[in-house]
Amino acid sequence: DTAVSQTPKYLVTQMGNDKSIKCEQNLGHDTMYWYKQDSKKFLKIMFSYNNKELIINETVPNRFSPKSPDKAHLNLHINSLELGDSAVYFCASSQGGTGRYEQYFGPGTRLTVT
Amino acid sequence: AQSVTQPDIHITVSEGASLELRCNYSYGATPYLFWYVQSPGQGLQLLLKYFSGDTLVQGIKGFEAEFKRSQSSFNLRKPSVHWSDAAEYFCAVGALYGQNFVFGPGTRLSVLP
Repeated sequence: DTAVSQTPKYLVTQMGNDKSIKCEQNLGHDTMYWYKQDSKKFLKIMFSYNNKELIINETVPNRFSPKSPDKAHLNLHINSLELGDSAVYFCASSQGGTGRYEQYFGPGTRLTVT
Repeated sequence: AQSVTQPDIHITVSEGASLELRCNYSYGATPYLFWYVQSPGQGLQLLLKYFSGDTLVQGIKGFEAEFKRSQSSFNLRKPSVHWSDAAEYFCAVGALYGQNFVFGPGTRLSVLP
């Protein structure tokens, strides 16, 4: 069983489109995250949810909107896609919301905006 | 807030050679320290973690790391590298309070046959 899963694995779309990435974890964790990894492999946290409540909202364009229907799911919706949104997006989860808990990562979604 | 540096962007070693990847952190209290590995096209996998106690931590795949408070370092080591160890390695530091969990910029490891 995959602990943290994401769909789709690859997403190719045109500028201006709206797309969503889904994430599910079956670890029973309370906290979930979205990260963006750029072409230089730098990992930047975007959002964090704890028990369906937003606890971290880093400086990202408001075209990005996370949605957590329950604590096992955290989806990422992106409006009006731009070329600069091309990256790999990782979902992660952890037992708690503080930095003492290791995070478990999904396989990533490679988004390409043309 | 904490920060992490990994001084080496890219390291190349021969298969069978020993490996040390450097990690330095900045944090005002005792940190929680982690090493992750990312194989090409994959997500991040936890190699090991340090919370407290013994400063030498054993992890998976034959890796170990040593916490040195005086040097603010948490270097990752492996005595004999295998070709399958070629990957990107990330050091991370977590804070006891607050939600901060910061990753370093990563070190890419190449392994020569």
